[in-house]
Amino acid sequence: AQSVSQHNHHVILSEAASLELGCNYSYGGTVNLFWYVQYPGQHLQLLLKYFSGDPLVKGIKGFEAEFIKSKFSFNLRKPSVQWSDTAEYFCAVNAKNYGGSQGNLIFGKGTKLSVKP
Amino acid sequence: DGGITQSPKYLFRKEGQNVTLSCEQNLNHDAMYWYRQDPGQGLRLIYYSQIVNDFQKGDIAEGYSVSREKKESFPLTVTSAQKNPTAFYLCATSPQGAFNQPQHFGDGTRLSIL
Repeated sequence: AQSVSQHNHHVILSEAASLELGCNYSYGGTVNLFWYVQYPGQHLQLLLKYFSGDPLVKGIKGFEAEFIKSKFSFNLRKPSVQWSDTAEYFCAVNAKNYGGSQGNLIFGKGTKLSVKP
Repeated sequence: DGGITQSPKYLFRKEGQNVTLSCEQNLNHDAMYWYRQDPGQGLRLIYYSQIVNDFQKGDIAEGYSVSREKKESFPLTVTSAQKNPTAFYLCATSPQGAFNQPQHFGDGTRLSIL
């Protein structure tokens, strides 16, 4: 079955530290990849997405992610985090020709990021 | 997300009671989804609908029911058969249930047991 793994449950960083959140998926076919963010008390928002082309994608608020097909990975990065980045981050995968609907997302369990001021 | 309204924000259920969570959208999106979010579990798909009058079970449909009589509305009923209903429920939409469309999320409904 298709699955998405986020390796870190909770990450604690100081402001200005660099961030990398891991995401691996298990599906051998064509995929679309997403990172969503959920700030405290807010709804889930799209941070960035990869459909095709350049495997290094840039999203909002200085975030970027790199799709490495050979490693089935889509890690999220930010060079210098801010206190306002404190949130929960979810990786999600949409696999073509998987299951009954091509629109369905499979989510990872999420990574909580706490940034200390 | 703008254009997706979930109500109520908080809901309490008594033993043996069915409750219905509302999801309305004015984005003119074809596809709608219901997810359940539990701490440390991420989001799990309950039901989805790609067009009016059609819906499909997701990964954890047992104890839930839905309807899609109008494009704008996709209510979720948590039945008494759902033994562990306490969770945060998220409704999402996408322009069409297609491979390359990101989903947009509502603010969620938090359901608790009395």
